[in-house]
Amino acid sequence: DQQVKQNSPSLSVQEGRISILNCDYTNSMFDYFLWYKKYPAEGPTFLISISSIKDKNEDGRFTVFLNKSAKHLSLHIVPSQPGDSAVYFCAASPNTGNQFYFGTGTSLTVIP
Amino acid sequence: DTGVSQNPRHKITKRGQNVTFRCDPISEHNRLYWYRQTLGQGPEFLTYFQNEAQLEKSRLLSDRFSAERPKGSFSTLEIQRTEQGDSAMYLCASSGPTGWKDGYTFGSGTRLTVV
Repeated sequence: DQQVKQNSPSLSVQEGRISILNCDYTNSMFDYFLWYKKYPAEGPTFLISISSIKDKNEDGRFTVFLNKSAKHLSLHIVPSQPGDSAVYFCAASPNTGNQFYFGTGTSLTVIP
Repeated sequence: DTGVSQNPRHKITKRGQNVTFRCDPISEHNRLYWYRQTLGQGPEFLTYFQNEAQLEKSRLLSDRFSAERPKGSFSTLEIQRTEQGDSAMYLCASSGPTGWKDGYTFGSGTRLTVV
């Protein structure tokens, strides 16, 4: 049972434009959410996190939005750069992060 | 510190053989995690250590799988009597006590192929 879903397997965006990656979850007990970026042949790299007491968190070009009522979160990358081309995973946890549930990933391609 | 190190990077084994993977976490991290990732899927949780204590195990971790973290330093993941369904990328990660908001640091993984 996939508790975290990323329904868009791929996304292409022009350099300089906004990339929006979406994630939905089904477990209302999830309280902590992270986004990871993964390049081929490397492990995932942590990008940004948000807890359920907030609805927005920013870190440079990356902003994560959380809509708890809709069980939806999104990652905005502005402006998108070719180096952002990677697979992006969202992950959710019901507690302090001992076990995260990952989505299936969205492959982002930023076109120069 | 060079991050989380996993060895070997690749392992090809025949069905029925035993394999062991090693993970060296970031030295100041007391929490260590094993995840498994198959093609087209996200990482799936296998087990979690706090120092040397194994505190959580997924039901994915059948009795053919065993993980250890002696003295709270490096960790090993052993798979006995490997099956073709065990073919996957095995990822190790470590974190401090605020890994939920600071994120895990993942290693590059060990890719297991069972033939």
